[in-house]
Amino acid sequence: RKEVEQDPGPFNVPEGATVAFNCTYSNSASQSFFWYRQDCRKEPKLLMSVYSSGNEDGRFTAQLNRASQYISLLIRDSKLSDSATYLCVVNVGGSQGNLIFGKGTKLSVKP
Amino acid sequence: DGGITQSPKYLFRKEGQNVTLSCEQNLNHDAMYWYRQDPGQGLRLIYYSQIVNDFQKGDIAEGYSVSREKKESFPLTVTSAQKNPTAFYLCASSTRWGLGYGYTFGSGTRLTVV
Repeated sequence: RKEVEQDPGPFNVPEGATVAFNCTYSNSASQSFFWYRQDCRKEPKLLMSVYSSGNEDGRFTAQLNRASQYISLLIRDSKLSDSATYLCVVNVGGSQGNLIFGKGTKLSVKP
Repeated sequence: DGGITQSPKYLFRKEGQNVTLSCEQNLNHDAMYWYRQDPGQGLRLIYYSQIVNDFQKGDIAEGYSVSREKKESFPLTVTSAQKNPTAFYLCASSTRWGLGYGYTFGSGTRLTVV
């Protein structure tokens, strides 16, 4: 089983749509969780951290379910500028501090 | 502004050559990392360093070497032993104990073998 799994997509949605991305992770000792955004041929950029209580940043909502080892990202009222690949990222803790990256889910928002 | 700088942006390597990719950060981060990304693939860890003069192999270290002589700098050498070096190389940094904050990435170097 892969450490971090995501649906590769692509997700093709119209402007204004609500879209949800899911991610599962295999290591139950994972301590920190993130969503990164990567534009075509660019570096990944931190979109938001994910907390057990859930957190929201404008049109973006992230949820964590530790019992199911599942992370989600919801984007409401999609914009053309949201088109990118969204990476689910997990930190298994310890002194190494290494993040484990999913392969990403590609989103394409159409006019 | 603080940030992490990679150079060059594009690099072409002939067969059998060693090339060095530069990574410099002024974020005062203790930890630095090198990743490789192939088209349609996820990021794979090459090497990482938590402190000056110390570094550890990642998942795909064969054919690569690094040094960490200064806190700000973590250069990556792609040696001739790396059989398939064409890829997008990303350097990242983080606070050593700030695991909740994620990584900051440089803008990457695209390496092509010609």
